[in-house]
Amino acid sequence: EAGVAQSPRYKIIEKRQSVAFWCNPISGHATLYWYQQILGQGPKLLIQFQNNGVVDDSQLPKDRFSAERLKGVDSTLKIQPAKLEDSAVYLCASSLGVGREEAFFGQGTRLTVV
Amino acid sequence: GNSVTQMEGPVTLSEEAFLTINCTYTATGYPSLFWYVQYPGEGLQLLLKATKADDKGSNKGFEATYRKETTSFHLEKGSVQVSDSAVYFCALGDSSYKLIFGSGTRLLVRP
Repeated sequence: EAGVAQSPRYKIIEKRQSVAFWCNPISGHATLYWYQQILGQGPKLLIQFQNNGVVDDSQLPKDRFSAERLKGVDSTLKIQPAKLEDSAVYLCASSLGVGREEAFFGQGTRLTVV
Repeated sequence: GNSVTQMEGPVTLSEEAFLTINCTYTATGYPSLFWYVQYPGEGLQLLLKATKADDKGSNKGFEATYRKETTSFHLEKGSVQVSDSAVYFCALGDSSYKLIFGSGTRLLVRP
C-alpha cells in the first residue's frame, strides 16, 4: 500500500515570497491533516479536511496561509507571503476518518525562510 | 480544550535500561491514545495505540496502558537499545478525528 506522498522534500525561499506544498493521501482516506512542526516542538494542527470540507482550521494563520483539497483527494498548502517564523517542517497525514483511528504521515517538507 | 502533556527530555539511558516516558491527557469524552516515534531524518510513525480504558497497546517491546482514572498513557520498555534513540510523541484522537500531539520527548540510548 502506497503511503502519504508529499513534495517537495525541501524548500528554501526568501521572506515575503510565496510557496506551495502538495500532498497525496493514502487512497480511500477521508481525513487529511496539515501540521506544522517547528524544530524541537510537537506537530501543531493547521487544518483538517473531511473529504473536501474543512473540519478545523482554527490554528491556520488565514492572512497568509491557505489550503484546499481537490475533489476530496490531493491537497495543497500555500504560504503567501512567507515570514521567517514559518521555517518548519510541514507534515501531511491522512486517516480513514470513520473513527478515532491512527493517522499516517508523509515524510514532510522542510521549509527554510531566509 | 483537549491537550496532551509529556515529560520533557532529553532522556538519556544506557543500553538495556528500563524506560518510562510519562504522558497525561485532558479530553472530553473517550479519546483514542497513541504513541508516535520519529527516528532521525524520518517521518512520524505509529508505535502503538489504545482505543478504550484499560487497553494495553504494544509493539517492538514498547507498552502503554490507557488509564482513565489517572488520565495517563505512559510509555514503557523493559530493555532499551541504541536503535531506540528517537523522539517519542504522545497523541490523542478525539471524536472529531482531530489528532493532538504532545511536545515530544527525545530519548538517547548510549552503548
